[in-house]
Amino acid sequence: AQSVTQLDSQVPVFEEAPVELRCNYSSSVSVYLFWYVQYPNQGLQLLLKYLSGSTLVESINGFEAEFNKSQTSFHLRKPSVHISDTAEYFCAVSVPGSARQLTFGSGTQLTVLP
Amino acid sequence: GAVVSQHPSWVICKSGTSVKIECRSLDFQATTMFWYRQFPKQSLMLMATSNEGSKATYEQGVEKDKFLINHASLTLSTLTVTSAHPEDSSFYICSASPGTDSYEQYFGPGTRLTVT
Repeated sequence: AQSVTQLDSQVPVFEEAPVELRCNYSSSVSVYLFWYVQYPNQGLQLLLKYLSGSTLVESINGFEAEFNKSQTSFHLRKPSVHISDTAEYFCAVSVPGSARQLTFGSGTQLTVLP
Repeated sequence: GAVVSQHPSWVICKSGTSVKIECRSLDFQATTMFWYRQFPKQSLMLMATSNEGSKATYEQGVEKDKFLINHASLTLSTLTVTSAHPEDSSFYICSASPGTDSYEQYFGPGTRLTVT
């Protein structure tokens, strides 16, 4: 079975500051990795994903995440955050060849302060 | 593209009644749909996986007779909460996955269920 740990439940940060949201996973097999963002009272939106290839993946709104196999991590980073980035962020894993089920972490609430 | 809708977006019902929630993939065919439940300030918990034309696979601890899932077409899945009770109040989110080779899931906006 797989598990996902998001170490920080809440991350407050000032606008234009850098941020890192941590995600570690546990799995005995290779996994696909995802970051989803959830705005209040909305469903989840895919932010970025790692399936294979380059270990650094980027989103269109400035976020990036790096897959580190040795540390079993997939931390999410942004060099300069905006007020509009305030949301809940979920890290998730899926096992290739499985029924495409996602296992989610507990989420990190990112709050960008003016 | 890859839009998933849910209806209704919120519903209030009385204890003992049943509520149906629809999940539709608007611009793609979803061979697999998933139903999640999310409590306030918590993560998503997978309730069941449904493939078009076959019975849903429920996660451990989820009552299949209480949470009826029907995936009658490649664009529609429904979740019926039967004999709802206040403890069933939650945010229900569906997702849809296109094709057998895709590992992406596209999420609906969620349905807020309140049972009084």
